[in-house]
Amino acid sequence: AQSVTQLDSHVSVSEGTPVLLRCNYSSSYSPSLFWYVQHPNKGLQLLLKYTSAATLVKGINGFEAEFKKSETSFHLTKPSAHMSDAAEYFCVVSTPRGSQGNLIFGKGTKLSVKP
Amino acid sequence: NAGVTQTPKFQVLKTGQSMTLQCAQDMNHEYMSWYRQDPGMGLRLIHYSVGAGITDQGEVPNGYNVSRSTTEDFPLRLLSAAPSQTSVYFCASRLRDSLNHYNSPLHFGNGTRLTVT
Repeated sequence: AQSVTQLDSHVSVSEGTPVLLRCNYSSSYSPSLFWYVQHPNKGLQLLLKYTSAATLVKGINGFEAEFKKSETSFHLTKPSAHMSDAAEYFCVVSTPRGSQGNLIFGKGTKLSVKP
Repeated sequence: NAGVTQTPKFQVLKTGQSMTLQCAQDMNHEYMSWYRQDPGMGLRLIHYSVGAGITDQGEVPNGYNVSRSTTEDFPLRLLSAAPSQTSVYFCASRLRDSLNHYNSPLHFGNGTRLTVT
């Protein structure tokens, strides 16, 4: 069975400090993994994706994520948080199960950034 | 680039009314889908389509209909609105690569906020 777990529903950091948003997955297949960001009253925007190439993936706005197969993790990091990073973040697993793939969304992590 | 366009942005309905949420994309994506987003429930797939003339049910299809007459458009119809359908609705599309379709990311619209009273 496929699943994705975002380990924190809410993370709070101070501006200028590192960000770590955790995501674990379970998949019987070799998955593709995505991180999306959702700002208030907006749609989801792709931050980055892993599709079996380099395990360290760089995305937009200074975010990056590392695929660790042994730990079944795909944690999202940023060295220094900005106020504009305050948003909700979703980890998504995509597998070849089914004729059109199987997309599984995490429940989301709300990131707060304090000045 | 317009991407995925949803209309309307906001809508208030009375119980029993019907309406259509519009979704259009200009990226020539074969795959289109509808999700609803509710607090604590994440995103749940309502219906999806892999091309014109082809639709299928997702996780929560009851009370909704879809059709796909063109590649660009994928409207979602509420047949008889209920308060349980109060939600934010997102349309999303992606490339349908026959070999590696699951590698393609979804592109989302900005959502329709629906309230049913």
